[in-house]
Amino acid sequence: AQKVTQAQTEISVVEKEDVTLDCVYETRDTTYYLFWYKQPPSGELVFLIRRNSFDEQNEISGRYSWNFQKSTSSFNFTITASQVVDSAVYFCALTEYNFNKFYFGSGTKLNVKP
Amino acid sequence: GAVVSQHPSRVICKSGTSVKIECRSLDFQATTMFWYRQFPKQSLMLMATSNEGSKATYEQGVEKDKFLINHASLTLSTLTVTSAHPEDSSFYICSASPLNTEAFFGQGTRLTVV
Repeated sequence: AQKVTQAQTEISVVEKEDVTLDCVYETRDTTYYLFWYKQPPSGELVFLIRRNSFDEQNEISGRYSWNFQKSTSSFNFTITASQVVDSAVYFCALTEYNFNKFYFGSGTKLNVKP
Repeated sequence: GAVVSQHPSRVICKSGTSVKIECRSLDFQATTMFWYRQFPKQSLMLMATSNEGSKATYEQGVEKDKFLINHASLTLSTLTVTSAHPEDSSFYICSASPLNTEAFFGQGTRLTVV
């Protein structure tokens, strides 16, 4: 069965601090996709990144970076030099090879204080 | 890029009434769409799979008679919450995938039953 675990319920940091959001997943599939979404108070899901199970290369996009390690079934997300606008709930998610059902983690609420 | 549009974004209804939420794929055809529900401060959970031209598939614990799903065309799925009660107040969001190549989420609908 598919499962995504985000052990950090809520994290508070001061602006300009770096913060890492953890994500651990379980799946028996060999082909799958991992996602990170940002959910601001308005509710919509803002797509951040997608990774397929065959691509373990880490990725950096501006202040965001992702570390995918199949050996530990983890897909962690780091925000460097956090800003107040980064405050939101962040979801890690897993989907099957055909992008059908999504399995979401419980989410991590990030509070960035000025 | 592919867009999924959901309407309305917000709705308030009286207890006992029914509410219809629409999910449209704007520039692609979707034989399958997915409906998720998110209770306050919780994660998103798959409710049902909407299949064009056939019955929807509901996840365990979701009442099919309460949450009516109609997928009458390749670009439109509707979710009707029948005889809504305050405990149905939630954030409902749909997703669809063009040719199983990617997944897109609607903007979500925040339902409040008073």
